[in-house]
Amino acid sequence: SAVISQKPSRDICQRGTSLTIQCQVDSQVTMMFWYRQQPGQSLTLIATANQGSEATYESGFVIDKFPISRPNLTFSTLTVSNMSPEDSSIYLCSLAPRTTDTQYFGPGTRLTVL
Amino acid sequence: GNSVTQMEGPVTLSEEAFLTINCTYTATGYPSLFWYVQYPGEGLQLLLKATKADDKGSNKGFEATYRKETTSFHLEKGSVQVSDSAVYFCALRGATNKLIFGTGTLLAVQP
Repeated sequence: SAVISQKPSRDICQRGTSLTIQCQVDSQVTMMFWYRQQPGQSLTLIATANQGSEATYESGFVIDKFPISRPNLTFSTLTVSNMSPEDSSIYLCSLAPRTTDTQYFGPGTRLTVL
Repeated sequence: GNSVTQMEGPVTLSEEAFLTINCTYTATGYPSLFWYVQYPGEGLQLLLKATKADDKGSNKGFEATYRKETTSFHLEKGSVQVSDSAVYFCALRGATNKLIFGTGTLLAVQP
């Protein structure tokens, strides 16, 4: 298994501000993912973040709104920019080690935008 | 594209009842299939998985069999407990390595 930590675990933010979420893993992995889970909903993939290349965004998500950094094989950040109440969600980072087809998830960051 | 359809909840059962949560999928090729569980206030945990046709994944008394002929991966447990109350997500992972989730099914087990 993998150990994934996220910071912050939760935050309450004002409309129009930005928040950067950090994800740290205990082993080197090539593929990391960022998901959003809106209240009472399933998980939706925001983007795939591979080290050394630009993140690949899913339909409906854009880099200007959700910039992602992946400076090395154990760390990634997701920024939620110019927030609105509709961005209130749990944001989860996830990784998929090469040696297994299992995908692991961090504990999530619960964001509330007022 | 790939997709997962699972039965809508909530599912409410009495303790020791038999549980089935239906899950069907649409995918090209041969995806891996997963059940994840999210207990109240906690993160997402892998419950079980199956990587090829006729494989049976099992964990904590839960089972699911990868049925290619019916494109299904139904979750079952013979006797549920109050502690099984959670949201259960069926998911698949195909050739793109992206994990696609179903909508989730809330299970509430009453004593």
